[in-house]
Amino acid sequence: AQKVTQAQTEISVVEKEDVTLDCVYETRDTTYYLFWYKQPPSGELVFLIRRNSFDEQNEISGRYSWNFQKSTSSFNFTITASQVVDSAVYFCALSEAYTNAGKSTFGDGTTLTVKP
Amino acid sequence: GAGVSQSPSNKVTEKGKDVELRCDPISGHTALYWYRQRLGQGLEFLIYFQGNSAPDKSGLPSDRFSAERTGESVSTLTIQRTQQEDSAVYLCASSSGVRYSYEQYFGPGTRLTVT
Repeated sequence: AQKVTQAQTEISVVEKEDVTLDCVYETRDTTYYLFWYKQPPSGELVFLIRRNSFDEQNEISGRYSWNFQKSTSSFNFTITASQVVDSAVYFCALSEAYTNAGKSTFGDGTTLTVKP
Repeated sequence: GAGVSQSPSNKVTEKGKDVELRCDPISGHTALYWYRQRLGQGLEFLIYFQGNSAPDKSGLPSDRFSAERTGESVSTLTIQRTQQEDSAVYLCASSSGVRYSYEQYFGPGTRLTVT
């Protein structure tokens, strides 16, 4: 069965610190997709990134970067030089191509608080 | 273009009453999802629609919950005989293309409070 684990329930950092949010997944499918979503205090989830299982290339977008490692089944998210506006709940999600196709599984989320 | 919209944004109902929650997906999105999010918790999958295929209802917690979708547009989630444990934010999301590979776009949610 597909499963996503975000072991860090809450993280608190001071502005300008770097922070990494961990995501570990389980799946039997060889083809799958991983996602990160942000849920700010306003409540609406926002898509951040999608990564295919056959593409392990890491990605950087401004202060955000993602490290996908199939060997450890991890898809970690790093925010460099964090800002107060980064405070939110971040969700990692997995979507399998075959076994549970169409049904995304979300982790329980990590609440990030960035203090000024 | 317009994003996913949900109505009402807030709903307070008495225990035992029925409620209907509405979702308008992004135009052209073939997939539509309903999730439940209890306070401080993650997303709980409820039901998934993909085009004209039979919906995946495996996440519905009881037979008091049902959902319908008209073609590839509006969806309604109905909760009958509401209970206090139904209090939560109900989120709708839509997605385009191949169902498992595309990101989901979420609506603002409906906050349901059962008194």
